[in-house]
Amino acid sequence: SQTIHQWPATLVQPVGSPLSLECTVEGTSNPNLYWYRQAAGRGLQLLFYSVGIGQISSEVPQNLSASRPQDRQFILSSKKLLLSDSGFYLCAWSVGGANVLTFGAGSRLTVL
Amino acid sequence: GENVEQHPSTLSVQEGDSAVIKCTYSDSASNYFPWYKQELGKGPQLIIDIRSNVGEKKDQRIAVTLNKTAKHFSLHITETQPEDSAVYFCAASPASYDKVIFGPGTSLSVIP
Repeated sequence: SQTIHQWPATLVQPVGSPLSLECTVEGTSNPNLYWYRQAAGRGLQLLFYSVGIGQISSEVPQNLSASRPQDRQFILSSKKLLLSDSGFYLCAWSVGGANVLTFGAGSRLTVL
Repeated sequence: GENVEQHPSTLSVQEGDSAVIKCTYSDSASNYFPWYKQELGKGPQLIIDIRSNVGEKKDQRIAVTLNKTAKHFSLHITETQPEDSAVYFCAASPASYDKVIFGPGTSLSVIP
């Protein structure tokens, strides 16, 4: 069966520090991968999505970036965090064309 | 691009009553409309979805209706229970895109 792993689960970082959140999917090949952000009490904002290795689409201009070094690995990064980067980051996958998303458990980032 | 609106933002019902959440979308090319339930501190989980070739779908106590002409769709929960308390998100996905756009969410509280 397919599973999705996301880590770390919680993270507290100072302003200006770097960030790396990792997401891996097991049990499927060539998935579409997504990063969403959920600010406190807000909806789900699509940040990046990828339909294949090295193919990244950015939805919102910001100081975050995403990479997909392997078929089932999706990484969210930042060189210098801002206070406004605080939130709940969710990775998700889908089989191409179906758009049925399965989410990970999320990573809660607090920038101080 | 697609824009999804959702109402109400908060909803409180007595246990056993029905709950209705309504969404509208902007892109007439959207043809897939999922609903997700998010419990506190967890990632959203798909509870029901509907595609544009049907007008209604039911799964036990939950049902979704779709009006493509008016570009709106609704979630109906009957005989609500305390465990239905959560944040519910509607979403829309155009057939030609590999991404899902979410509404802002509805926080449902079921009062015992």
